Amino acid sequence: AIQMTQSPSSLSASVGDRVTITCRASQGIRNDLGWYQQRPGKAPNLLIYASSILQSGVPSRFSGSGSGTDFTLTISSLQPEDFAVYYCLQDYSNPRTFGQGTKVEIK
Amino acid sequence: EVQLVESGGGLVQPGGSLRLSCAASGFTFNTYWMTWVRQAPGKGLEWVANIKGDGSKNNYLDSVKGRFTISRDNAINALYLQMTSLRAEDTAVYYCARDLNYRDRSGAFYDVFDIWGQGTVVTVSS
Repeated sequence: AIQMTQSPSSLSASVGDRVTITCRASQGIRNDLGWYQQRPGKAPNLLIYASSILQSGVPSRFSGSGSGTDFTLTISSLQPEDFAVYYCLQDYSNPRTFGQGTKVEIK
Repeated sequence: EVQLVESGGGLVQPGGSLRLSCAASGFTFNTYWMTWVRQAPGKGLEWVANIKGDGSKNNYLDSVKGRFTISRDNAINALYLQMTSLRAEDTAVYYCARDLNYRDRSGAFYDVFDIWGQGTVVTVSS
């Protein structure tokens, strides 16, 4: 199975900060990667798919990039509702695999 | 309203069985791949299985192969996960999700889990 490694595992940031989360695949996965946000006690919420396509309704401060093995999720200006855990997910091959998650906390 | 509602979770002893259900509404169910994802207490997300819209193809996480079976009944817009030989490590919240299965201009397909249920809790313990 393809391993997905996110970094950092957690970060502290302030409202208005620019935040970048990275995800690295153990082998090339083209651009077959999505990003999901999960708030405490809630189901995950799709942010980005195909590495860089913003899901309808998701604020434009979220963006994704990358191809091959290295990917990034960027939040251009962190908002209070963005404090959550973020996961990458590869859909290049089965079994699909998530990264271990990045918790974004308030500084 | 597009909605997924899971049910069937509960407390079961190791080695026991449980069937989870996911009721879909508000969309043409038989045209979508569907997926099960789980989350152990305090842990991250783990993809479990998926199934094609017509039920003709499915895939599983290695650790559940031979123990879990994903199926669907398109006549009643329902997705299932039959779980047998349950282990303590299967304890988790189980989510069902719709896969929009986006196709780009080059013909490549991408998983797009755009709709999720609220989850159902499975606890495997004696």
